[in-house]
Amino acid sequence: NAGVMQNPRHLVRRRGQEARLRCSPMKGHSHVYWYRQLPEEGLKFMVYLQKENIIDESGMPKERFSAEFPKEGPSILRIQQVVRGDSAAYFCASSPRGSASRNNEQFFGPGTRLTVL
Amino acid sequence: GDSVTQMEGPVTLSEEAFLTINCTYTATGYPSLFWYVQYPGEGLQLLLKATKADDKGSNKGFEATYRKETTSFHLEKGSVQVSDSAVYFCALSDGGYSGYALNFGKGTSLLVTP
Repeated sequence: NAGVMQNPRHLVRRRGQEARLRCSPMKGHSHVYWYRQLPEEGLKFMVYLQKENIIDESGMPKERFSAEFPKEGPSILRIQQVVRGDSAAYFCASSPRGSASRNNEQFFGPGTRLTVL
Repeated sequence: GDSVTQMEGPVTLSEEAFLTINCTYTATGYPSLFWYVQYPGEGLQLLLKATKADDKGSNKGFEATYRKETTSFHLEKGSVQVSDSAVYFCALSDGGYSGYALNFGKGTSLLVTP
């Protein structure tokens, strides 16, 4: 059973370009979470999605960032017009259940390291 | 808001040494507490968890006890191995409506030498 897949593993963009990060959850998981780890910081929650729905995007910057989890295909985190401050590691996690379940384990992917030049 | 503070790294130990990585938290309500481990080039893996006060989580020789009175969840292992070299993250979820959102510490890098 493959784990959470993320690609690309490393992404380099110039300021003003777009970055698209992909996440394929574990088989049977319909809940996806994105986290960002800035240099010297812990992971911070960005957004929680179920298939075709954004459940909570309270941790996502209001501008330039968007996320989707279509009926078919991976979840996409999209960053438009990237700036140097977007350089970070972006982690995706998935779970078979969502919401406030104390037994709801999140399984993490290896992350995408975004570097903005 | 909720937060997690863990000891700064890197921590360097000799094989078979005793390990403690301190973690304290601030939270309203009754959070669940977790330790995740990240090996080089891999994603975070859940190492152990505790969902209520005085619970002890354990796995692979690692242990941590949920101490509500000291708001702590320190990670311990009696005898570390070279294969334990990794980054360790302490995390909490508040267990409420947003119980899915994990709140992580900065991570502590552990290097175990032969």
